[in-house]
Amino acid sequence: EVHLVESGGGLVQPGGSLRLSCAASGFTFSDHYIDWVRQAPGKGLEWVGRSRNIANTFRTEYAASLKGRFTILRDDSGSSLYLQMYNLQTEDTAVYYCVRGRNGFNSGFDYWGQGTLVTVSS
Amino acid sequence: SLELAQPPSVSVSPGQTAKITCSGDTKHFVHWYQQKPGQAPVAVMYKDTERPSGIPDRFSGSSSGTTATLTISNIQAEDEANYYCQSADGSDSYVFGSGTEVTV
Repeated sequence: EVHLVESGGGLVQPGGSLRLSCAASGFTFSDHYIDWVRQAPGKGLEWVGRSRNIANTFRTEYAASLKGRFTILRDDSGSSLYLQMYNLQTEDTAVYYCVRGRNGFNSGFDYWGQGTLVTVSS
Repeated sequence: SLELAQPPSVSVSPGQTAKITCSGDTKHFVHWYQQKPGQAPVAVMYKDTERPSGIPDRFSGSSSGTTATLTISNIQAEDEANYYCQSADGSDSYVFGSGTEVTV
């Protein structure tokens, strides 16, 4: 059974950094695109970025609005994905979801983690 | 950059049909996700018209021109949720619609 479990969320001050983790199980991790999607309190879904699969050399891509503050790291041996976030702002406050792409680019997301809450506040 | 427009809300009576539109100049497939309060989203339609396994057949999808539509026929109380469309913007980024709150 496929599972995605996020961790690492919490309270951080503006300008701070935080690293989120996504532990995957139940499937061949390297075969899938894995993305991060976030949702601010009471707001809609926003795509954050992705790590493509091994066939696409694990290339990473990000939402332009993040302006280079976020980095996605992938550990295939441990079936884990990380979201390193720098210079956090109050508008980054959100639940962050780790999601699995079904099969290639824009094929849809078939599994979502439960999410981890990041709160940026002084 | 691509924007996907959805109506903020749709209200229908049980047993009736709800149609949720997603308008935007995307050249890519559109997917739909259902999200209930306090839960992670769940896919209800892939690639405009492909229903995932386990999703009731009262959910259907269509696309014409720049508008994709999610139709929920014979709507049930359990279908009350927020619905988001999602597509690609170019070759490397994704966009979500603003979401539609469906009230039954």
